Amino acid sequence: GDQVKQSPSALSLQEGTNSALRCNFSIATTTVQWFLQNPRGSLMNLFYLVPGTKENGRLKSTFNSKESYSTLHIRDAQLEDSGTYFCAAEDAGNTRKLIFGLGTTLQVQP
Amino acid sequence: EAAVTQSPRNKVAVTGGKVTLSCNQTNNHNNMYWYRQDTGHGLRLIHYSYGAGSTEKGDIPDGYKASRPSQENFSLILELATPSQTSVYFCASGDWGGASQNTLYFGAGTRLSVL
Repeated sequence: GDQVKQSPSALSLQEGTNSALRCNFSIATTTVQWFLQNPRGSLMNLFYLVPGTKENGRLKSTFNSKESYSTLHIRDAQLEDSGTYFCAAEDAGNTRKLIFGLGTTLQVQP
Repeated sequence: EAAVTQSPRNKVAVTGGKVTLSCNQTNNHNNMYWYRQDTGHGLRLIHYSYGAGSTEKGDIPDGYKASRPSQENFSLILELATPSQTSVYFCASGDWGGASQNTLYFGAGTRLSVL
């Protein structure tokens, strides 16, 4: 958790609002992945990022390698967005290893 | 669609017993991983593999062995299970440099309780 720090650790949103999750890295990393673990426990990949920005529906993610951070923006939050969001950094010293943050638990309220 | 299947989904074991968790992937990925997930620790890497016949230690390998007999299968073995190994275990596969762009695909998880 020290090498990949996620904030906030928990978040509650009203349906229809927007928010941003953040990951800060203290290791050299070349790529970042974001995952959502739903309330049933399944882990789904949301984004794979090289430096830059990707968008998928109401989600947008940016990886800034120079400043060692990544963000995940959620627009128009829906109930099904609830779960725990993890970011993971590819260890530049061993590019087959992903180092995970501790996650941000998001609850979307009606 | 990538497919990673873990078995069993739930397991209760006794202290000192041997436990084998199995993982099968149909993605033809070279790399496979075993993570455990515990409250306050997130996902921690136990062992991983670059391909059939290879196993590498992750960040918390003590008390665990791994076996990769084929491209498709990767097992995690607890020779002498202890209560501290009670956790949820996830298997994942990925293919660096392949069409999946290094995306990691996870299985559904195995909930292990060691009594």
